[in-house]
Amino acid sequence: GDSVTQMEGPVTLSEEAFLTINCTYTATGYPSLFWYVQYPGEGLQLLLKATKADDKGSNKGFEATYRKETTSFHLEKGSVQVSDSAVYFCALIGAQKLVFGQGTRLTINP
Amino acid sequence: EAEVAQSPRYKITEKSQAVAFWCDPISGHATLYWYRQILGQGPELLVQFQDESVVDDSQLPKDRFSAERLKGVDSTLKIQPAELGDSAMYLCASSLLAGQGVPHEQYFGPGTRLTVT
Repeated sequence: GDSVTQMEGPVTLSEEAFLTINCTYTATGYPSLFWYVQYPGEGLQLLLKATKADDKGSNKGFEATYRKETTSFHLEKGSVQVSDSAVYFCALIGAQKLVFGQGTRLTINP
Repeated sequence: EAEVAQSPRYKITEKSQAVAFWCDPISGHATLYWYRQILGQGPELLVQFQDESVVDDSQLPKDRFSAERLKGVDSTLKIQPAELGDSAMYLCASSLLAGQGVPHEQYFGPGTRLTVT
């Protein structure tokens, strides 16, 4: 079945550092890909999405490119802030079911 | 801005007791989802409604879990009896009508954190 694999956390960075969180997927067909963010005590918020190969999703300085050849959707940000501390989930929609990775906890130190 | 509402936010119950969670989706969203998120893991779909009909409950433990959306608007998820392993965050989400090849963004509520003692 469809699955998503994220790099294991936790990830700890200093403010203004460059961020990469790796995500790879397995799916039949051509799924849509998403990154969700979960701040402490809150539900999930959609951060960005891409619906076809080579699409780049972007929001709040975060970017991810849908790479069909490597089945990847890595999340990047050039300069992280303390307020980016949260858990990040990579996800895909295959047969109308949203499938999540296990999440990566990110902590940014001032 | 419209939001998905859930209550309660926190619930502590003893094992073998009954517990219920409520969700009110964004107005106009035909599709409603219940997810379970175990600590340190991603959410897993328990049940999906299209209006008042269940379209996917393949991962719902039907011996103890039940879900309903009687009027196609708000929904209730019930566990009876609760077990220690049910401790988790229960998330509700809603989206516009889900159709084949048309994935719509799912909007999540704040969740109900359940602790079974």
